[in-house]
Amino acid sequence: KAGVTQTPRYLIKTRGQQVTLSCSPISGHRSVSWYQQTPGQGLQFLFEYFSETQRNKGNFPGRFSGRQFSNSRSEMNVSTLELGDSALYLCASSIGHVDTEAFFGQGTRLTVV
Amino acid sequence: AQSVTQPDIHITVSEGASLELRCNYSYGATPYLFWYVQSPGQGLQLLLKYFSGDTLVQGIKGFEAEFKRSQSSFNLRKPSVHWSDAAEYFCAVGSNTGNQFYFGTGTSLTVIP
Repeated sequence: KAGVTQTPRYLIKTRGQQVTLSCSPISGHRSVSWYQQTPGQGLQFLFEYFSETQRNKGNFPGRFSGRQFSNSRSEMNVSTLELGDSALYLCASSIGHVDTEAFFGQGTRLTVV
Repeated sequence: AQSVTQPDIHITVSEGASLELRCNYSYGATPYLFWYVQSPGQGLQLLLKYFSGDTLVQGIKGFEAEFKRSQSSFNLRKPSVHWSDAAEYFCAVGSNTGNQFYFGTGTSLTVIP
């Protein structure tokens, strides 16, 4: 079956702009979570959506937001980009139960200049 | 608060040698523990997981890990390393409220011929 698809794979934006990243989970998965990966901070949890509702949220400023659609696809938006937002953004999809496996996409590499 | 510590930032081993990657966690309840591997430019792939039961768990690619509650550890092992095992390895603890992980900072593995 198809894996987790993240688009675009690479993105270059200018400081102050906003950006939207997309994640299509595996068919049948209702949970999508997002992570930011940077060399300095490692992998940090942004938020999780389950059945169109935000179920968990990490410690990121309000400039980071997300949503999930009825088909479980999820988008993540970052407004007023800062240089420090440059990172690999990964999404993970799962059925949604804590003891089930999460599958990660290949990520979107965002560079803010 | 949940946290994961991977004390070794970088490890170099010879091909065919044994490998042990260390992981210590801090979690209030029974932890859900995972090891993921990430190759350059790729997402994360699950190697193995522990939820309950037998404390020695087998994973893919010949990896195994042992859960030791008394030491709050979940070390990853492989008896004979292959050159293709060179990658970044992440230990993670799962939240009991959904598809949310707390990751360690990762251990980069180099395999020399």
